[in-house]
Amino acid sequence: GAVVSQHPSWVICKSGTSVKIECRSLDFQATTMFWYRQFPKQSLMLMATSNEGSKATYEQGVEKDKFLINHASLTLSTLTVTSAHPEDSSFYICSARRPAATNEKLFFGSGTQLSVL
Amino acid sequence: KNQVEQSPQSLIILEGKNCTLQCNYTVSPFSNLRWYKQDTGRGPVSLTIMTFSENTKSNGRYTATLDADTKQSSLHITASQLSDSASYICVVSAGTGANNLFFGTGTRLTVIP
Repeated sequence: GAVVSQHPSWVICKSGTSVKIECRSLDFQATTMFWYRQFPKQSLMLMATSNEGSKATYEQGVEKDKFLINHASLTLSTLTVTSAHPEDSSFYICSARRPAATNEKLFFGSGTQLSVL
Repeated sequence: KNQVEQSPQSLIILEGKNCTLQCNYTVSPFSNLRWYKQDTGRGPVSLTIMTFSENTKSNGRYTATLDADTKQSSLHITASQLSDSASYICVVSAGTGANNLFFGTGTRLTVIP
């Protein structure tokens, strides 16, 4: 079946540094990928929609300059948390959509736990 | 307002027992409803997806039902196993774009021996 790979699975960084998270669709082309943020015991919150070859669409309240998204190919989207601060510590998850003949298929990556010291 | 509400928030059951998780939604227009299992520190994994015309779908020991009239869905887990301990998330789609997805807050299931 379709697989979405997310890397790294966890990262610890110092405050003020930038962290890049990769999301790859391994066996299908994803024109659209999605980035979510999840706090402990809460559900996923959509941060932005990543469109291949164009600018990402950010949800209200999400800082574009803080969370840089690049979708340079049909199989790769990256999320860069710039100048990370402790409040950015969270679980980040990506998903990719594979259009199907019947139902639209949405697959999630395994998530990245970011801890900013 | 588009909302997805799940109950209970948490549930503890003995290994081998059955359980049923509930999902009520007010999302419109309705496209499909999905149940995901999310292990701690992992991404969600799809269990079932149902469209308007489907009222039941099974995936092994997991059986989802959908009543589009009352806008309710349930996920029934049969003969629970310790590995079923996870959060179960109900997600309702209001269209073809994933940016039209509405997530429930999940039910945290703990299966104890």
